[in-house]
Amino acid sequence: AQKITQTQPGMFVQEKEAVTLDCTYDTSDPSYGLFWYKQPSSGEMIFLIYQGSYDQQNATEGRYSLNFQKARKSANLVISASQLGDSAMYFCAMRPTNFGNEKLTFGTGTRLTIIP
Amino acid sequence: GAGVSQSPSNKVTEKGKDVELRCDPISGHTALYWYRQSLGQGLEFLIYFQGNSAPDKSGLPSDRFSAERTGGSVSTLTIQRTQQEDSAVYLCASSVGDTQYFGPGTRLTVL
Repeated sequence: AQKITQTQPGMFVQEKEAVTLDCTYDTSDPSYGLFWYKQPSSGEMIFLIYQGSYDQQNATEGRYSLNFQKARKSANLVISASQLGDSAMYFCAMRPTNFGNEKLTFGTGTRLTIIP
Repeated sequence: GAGVSQSPSNKVTEKGKDVELRCDPISGHTALYWYRQSLGQGLEFLIYFQGNSAPDKSGLPSDRFSAERTGGSVSTLTIQRTQQEDSAVYLCASSVGDTQYFGPGTRLTVL
């Protein structure tokens, strides 16, 4: 079984500051993938970034980076130079990477509010 | 290209009625997933289709829920004899590799 824990139900951050959203996970699978999704008030889940458990380097996508610490089982999302449009719910998710078992397990999410 | 589309965007129904929710995946994506997002339960996996393999139905909450995928493309999620606890946003996703791409969801309200 897999479990994702997001301990920050809500965060308020000043515009242009960097923000770190916490995510810890638990799994017995030897190979897995970690994901972050953004869900604005419109409701659509938007894929942000992916990290494979065997990737040597932390994933980056534009202003998003994933601080992956395998030994600590953490996969924190870092957003640099936050913008008003970053206000949304953010979900951390994971799944095993073995074929046929690809369902995502989600955390409870963090609601991020960017203050102008 | 076009993303995952879902219809209807909103559905209000009376308790006991059947509903059908539709998902059009991204063209060429072999895998299709249904999830449910509700206030009390968060995001839950429902069912997963991969190519011509038998679907993984392990997340369906009861036998009132069923889904099919025709021609390896469009999928329909059917809820029979709806109950108030079925009220939620039903999200569909598709993938061809590691990443699942989600549609806008169908908000189901059971009165």
